[in-house]
Amino acid sequence: EVQLVESGGGLVQPGGSLRLSCAASGFTFSDYYMDWVRQAPGKGLEWVGRIRTKANSYTTEYAASVKGRFTISRDDSKNSLYLQMNSLKTEDTAVYYCARGHWGFDYWGQGTLVTVSS
Amino acid sequence: DIQMTQSPSSLSASVGDRVTITCRASQGIRNSLTWFQQRPGKAPTSLIFDASNLQSGVPSKFSGSGSGTDFTLTISSLQPEDSATYYCQQYNTYPYTFGQGTKLEIK
Repeated sequence: EVQLVESGGGLVQPGGSLRLSCAASGFTFSDYYMDWVRQAPGKGLEWVGRIRTKANSYTTEYAASVKGRFTISRDDSKNSLYLQMNSLKTEDTAVYYCARGHWGFDYWGQGTLVTVSS
Repeated sequence: DIQMTQSPSSLSASVGDRVTITCRASQGIRNSLTWFQQRPGKAPTSLIFDASNLQSGVPSKFSGSGSGTDFTLTISSLQPEDSATYYCQQYNTYPYTFGQGTKLEIK
């Protein structure tokens, strides 16, 4: 059974940093592109970014709203995906989901809440 | 960026009804479109990929169609558990973009 479990969310002050993790199981993690998607409270879904596989040089794509502040990485040996978030803004407050980037986004985690507030 | 526009924004239907949700892309996206269901307080789940292909385990009451700029999601034989918000998303061009969502209420 495919499982994605996010962790690392919490309360952080504007300008601060946070690192989210996503633990994957039930599939060959290294074979798949992985994505982050977020959802601000009461709002719709926003794609954050993607990381490709080793075969595609672990290249990344980002939404304009996070480019230069957020970094996606992965550790295939640990079946884990990461989102390093720096220079956080209040508008980054959201539930952050990791998703497997196959046939669209075929599997999602349950999400982790990030609150940026002073 | 490609804008995805869903209609209607909300709708109400009865048990047993069939409903259709429309998603329009601001430019052609071939068939690179997926549909998600999101129940309150839960993560989205994938229903349809490549515009018309059912994800594994999704009941056949859900169907998708379209190509290019115009797409539809049809849900037949509505049940109370179909009450949710439905989103379309294009994955033809970065940045990937979502529709604003359609909230379905079952009367």
